[in-house]
Amino acid sequence: EDKVVQSPLSLVVHEGDTVTLNCSYEVTNFRSLLWYKQEKKAPTFLFMLTSSGIEKKSGRLSSILDKKELFSILNITATQTGDSAIYLCAVEADWNQGGKLIFGQGTELSVKP
Amino acid sequence: GAVVSQHPSRVICKSGTSVKIECRSLDFQATTMFWYRQFPKQSLMLMATSNEGSKATYEQGVEKDKFLINHASLTLSTLTVTSAHPEDSSFYICSASRRLAGRETQYFGPGTRLLVL
Repeated sequence: EDKVVQSPLSLVVHEGDTVTLNCSYEVTNFRSLLWYKQEKKAPTFLFMLTSSGIEKKSGRLSSILDKKELFSILNITATQTGDSAIYLCAVEADWNQGGKLIFGQGTELSVKP
Repeated sequence: GAVVSQHPSRVICKSGTSVKIECRSLDFQATTMFWYRQFPKQSLMLMATSNEGSKATYEQGVEKDKFLINHASLTLSTLTVTSAHPEDSSFYICSASRRLAGRETQYFGPGTRLLVL
């Protein structure tokens, strides 16, 4: 059975801290891994990773994929209160399976002032 | 960027009634739309995959007679929760798939909060 596991499930830090969120997966016919940020509404896209070892960056956020060990990390440096959200990791299966996304449980990040 | 809308954004209904949720891709044609459900403090669970002009493919454990999906056009899919009960209260999110640069990318709608009393 395909599954995506995130850790930790919740995290409380102070502004300025650096956090690392983890995502491991077991998925048949892997195509890509995606990270989303979810506040009160639907998820907003952060990164899509398809190749191992290539870091993607966007401001204070960065992510990398290891397809051999089947995991990805999302780093947030110099955290701000606006980073408080649920961070979702999803793996896209092969298009023959409908291109569906399999989501992890999410990591709830709370950044205190 | 691609825009996906959902309507209504929030609905409260009585137990036993049916509720229809619309998902529209506003500026692109989506051959495939996906419906997810998210309970509080939980992740998104895929309910079904909807292809234009054909029957939806439901995930294991999702009752197709209770959650009716119609994908009548390339820009509209609807999810009808029939005979809703309090346990159906949830956040329902759709996504629409668009082909860009040779790959399919899903764009999420803003979600619909359903509360069944």
